[in-house]
Amino acid sequence: GAVVSQHPSRVICKSGTSVKIECRSLDFQATTMFWYRQFPKQSLMLMATSNEGSKATYEQGVEKDKFLINHASLTLSTLTVTSAHPEDSSFYICSAPKSSGSPLHFGNGTRLTVT
Amino acid sequence: DQQVKQNSPSLSVQEGRISILNCDYTNSMFDYFLWYKKYPAEGPTFLISISSIKDKNEDGRFTVFLNKSAKHLSLHIVPSQPGDSAVYFCAASAFTSGTYKYIFGTGTRLKVLA
Repeated sequence: GAVVSQHPSRVICKSGTSVKIECRSLDFQATTMFWYRQFPKQSLMLMATSNEGSKATYEQGVEKDKFLINHASLTLSTLTVTSAHPEDSSFYICSAPKSSGSPLHFGNGTRLTVT
Repeated sequence: DQQVKQNSPSLSVQEGRISILNCDYTNSMFDYFLWYKKYPAEGPTFLISISSIKDKNEDGRFTVFLNKSAKHLSLHIVPSQPGDSAVYFCAASAFTSGTYKYIFGTGTRLKVLA
């Protein structure tokens, strides 16, 4: 069964609004979670590393003020897309390893459409 | 700068035959490699992995081969089944900035023909 749960699976929002995506580890504690973004027919691009109890680490070119990450507990990380624009429309997927250096387990992703 | 590359965007194989998916990487710091399978509108599912100290790892119908000198890995699926039809991503991992990071290739769409 799924070990990482992501919600919502699909969201449509108006330009200028903010959207929050939740990622939960179901049967393990995740001190680190990873947020990826996938454009159609492209690779999974690492956006940021979410660290429990400390600031997230963002990849080059990812705006930290636009993509707010909060990892408030060992089982929950949230990604908030602030002031969303149509170019933010994408497939966002979170993941976490059960232990450091082990395979990532992915959520089912969130399809964000900004109109 | 694509550190992990899958040069074949698609592959078609007859049911029962072998499927070979290839992946190349550029960063010699990568020491752990993984293959994932992905269906549309779902997150990737982990298939098999290999550490850089090995050159082969086998799990049922899936075998991953690693050639460190060539910075190349491949996934062999034999025999291929229609249910194997999906997009396959390779990923490479390295410990950097205090954590392991996982970089994914662009994916290969495998179609197994019945």
